[in-house]
Amino acid sequence: GNSVTQMEGPVTLSEEAFLTINCTYTATGYPSLFWYVQYPGEGLQLLLKATKADDKGSNKGFEATYRKETTSFHLEKGSVQVSDSAVYFCALTRNTGGFKTIFGAGTRLFVKA
Amino acid sequence: DAGVIQSPRHEVTEMGQEVTLRCKPISGHNSLFWYRQTMMRGLELLIYFNNNVPIDDSGMPEDRFSAKMPNASFSTLKIQPSEPRDSAVYFCASSSPGRDSTDTQYFGPGTRLTVL
Repeated sequence: GNSVTQMEGPVTLSEEAFLTINCTYTATGYPSLFWYVQYPGEGLQLLLKATKADDKGSNKGFEATYRKETTSFHLEKGSVQVSDSAVYFCALTRNTGGFKTIFGAGTRLFVKA
Repeated sequence: DAGVIQSPRHEVTEMGQEVTLRCKPISGHNSLFWYRQTMMRGLELLIYFNNNVPIDDSGMPEDRFSAKMPNASFSTLKIQPSEPRDSAVYFCASSSPGRDSTDTQYFGPGTRLTVL
């Protein structure tokens, strides 16, 4: 079946450090891939997405590239800020008669000043 | 545009009481999802609707949980009777696969439920 695996947290970085959060998926066919972010006390919100192989999603300095050969969608940012502290969820969607999104377990990021 | 609206934002109740959570999806969205989030289990999909029809309720924990969507602009999640292990944050989300082929979900702010 469809599944998403992402690295366990928490991840603790200093401000301006480089960030990578790994995400791999299992799915038949061609899913769409997403990163959602959840700030404290809020619901999840879309950070970026990619719909086909080799697409790169980007937003707010974050990037992720859809790699079909390695079934991965790793999230990266060159220089994190304290305000990036949040929980990050990798997710996929396939139309299997209904649009059900499969979420990873989430990775908590702490950025220290 | 108003986002997904949930009420109440916080609910504290005693074990055995009935709890009703409410959700208004984004206008024009035809898919609606209910999730539960806890530290132990993370984010769990409880049920989702497409065009007001329940498509997959396999995540509903047990018969104490029920969800309805009487029209395109309103849904409820009911727990009767409530138990302390139901304490969690409950999120509603909506999407519009017809307009957005990638099916981005838009989440509400959540209802924090505490059952004493």
